[in-house]
Amino acid sequence: DTEVTQTPKHLVMGMTNKKSLKCEQHMGHRAMYWYKQKAKKPPELMFVYSYEKLSINESVPSRFSPECPNSSLLNLHLHALQPEDSALYLCASSRTGGLVEAFFGQGTRLTVV
Amino acid sequence: GQQLNQSPQSMFIQEGEDVSMNCTSSSIFNTWLWYKQDPGEGPVLLIALYKAGELTSNGRLTAQFGITRKDSFLNISASIPSDVGIYFCAGQDQTGANNLFFGTGTRLTVIP
Repeated sequence: DTEVTQTPKHLVMGMTNKKSLKCEQHMGHRAMYWYKQKAKKPPELMFVYSYEKLSINESVPSRFSPECPNSSLLNLHLHALQPEDSALYLCASSRTGGLVEAFFGQGTRLTVV
Repeated sequence: GQQLNQSPQSMFIQEGEDVSMNCTSSSIFNTWLWYKQDPGEGPVLLIALYKAGELTSNGRLTAQFGITRKDSFLNISASIPSDVGIYFCAGQDQTGANNLFFGTGTRLTVIP
């Protein structure tokens, strides 16, 4: 099973809303990632969690707040977003220790209005 | 983040033709991965490469980890219509952290 499940698939939110994106995997992977992808662009790394600890934050604004409550779950809390934050948000997971065959979820299409 | 440049940016080919694309970085990478992404979907892993000079195949796909560790190549033989999509290289640099940076992508169109 190489499945990474993301919910919701689509999300529309206002600039004053608070919402959360969720990601789940049951492959025993201890590294989990959030990426942001704008149309016709490659995925951009946002955050990496390794053994449930934040190991990489690619200078992401504080209106994006990641959380890794356990080894299978990864959340991305959203607050006071801007329209330019509208994008496809992708979650991925992989083993650690240099074996980064990362498997991706289907993504959450976020629209900020 | 790291900059990975892919070429060509886009390709239009006839069904049955072979395809080659490459990816280069300014720094040394420990791992190269190749993904395919369909519209509105997440990237799907095609091939993983872990050693300089390594050549790995997955069906009609063959990828190589460049000797300099700063580049990688993907070949698709006998293309079919379902090969249409965007192909991304991705790499992990030498920091050893679980980072994974993506190339700029190659958009492939296969004409039946």
